[in-house]
Amino acid sequence: NAGVTQTPKFQVLKTGQSMTLQCAQDMNHNSMYWYRQDPGMGLRLIYYSASEGTTDKGEVPNGYNVSRLNKREFSLRLESAAPSQTSVYFCASSVQGADYGYTFGSGTRLTVV
Amino acid sequence: AQSVAQPEDQVNVAEGNPLTVKCTYSVSGNPYLFWYVQYPNRGLQFLLKYITGDNLVKGSYGFEAEFNKSQTSFHLKKPSALVSDSALYFCAVSPFRGNTPLVFGKGTRLSVIA
Repeated sequence: NAGVTQTPKFQVLKTGQSMTLQCAQDMNHNSMYWYRQDPGMGLRLIYYSASEGTTDKGEVPNGYNVSRLNKREFSLRLESAAPSQTSVYFCASSVQGADYGYTFGSGTRLTVV
Repeated sequence: AQSVAQPEDQVNVAEGNPLTVKCTYSVSGNPYLFWYVQYPNRGLQFLLKYITGDNLVKGSYGFEAEFNKSQTSFHLKKPSALVSDSALYFCAVSPFRGNTPLVFGKGTRLSVIA
């Protein structure tokens, strides 16, 4: 089925470990986004890529890096995980910007201990 | 910068009664406005959007929303609530033009009681 695929679905890290969250879409969308969801905070934008070859910081970029590998794939890297990064991470994509809304992946639940 | 406020953390409604989930926004210029729904352990699903045109927008699952420019509001409504409507609802806004990402509200948990 067409959509946004995130891997892994669950992950437990120790403080200081690194990992990469993967996101791929097969809808030929130009724009891709990474959000984190925390209780009472809603969704907060970490990084986004308006088009292949560009990336920009969102509201909460500290502690994260991203790579727009190609048009389909947009990865999020935690270089040195901290307990404050315990969250549910969602990747989303759109045709271009917000015009048609976003399609979301099913999320990655990350726990940092 | 744009922002969204969802003033109610929780809305409780009896099955069969009308429901309203409130959203107000702040943005420069004309807004793109969206409602998304999240069921437990799932990603967000699109419900409806306002871009231009009629102020009353109809969406999925019988939901609708009314854009009110003077009150900068975009409240989500449904004439008759179902238990299956119980979920977390998010309002989101973006400026009318450009690639500015959506800004989401903090969400409102809707509980429909049988």
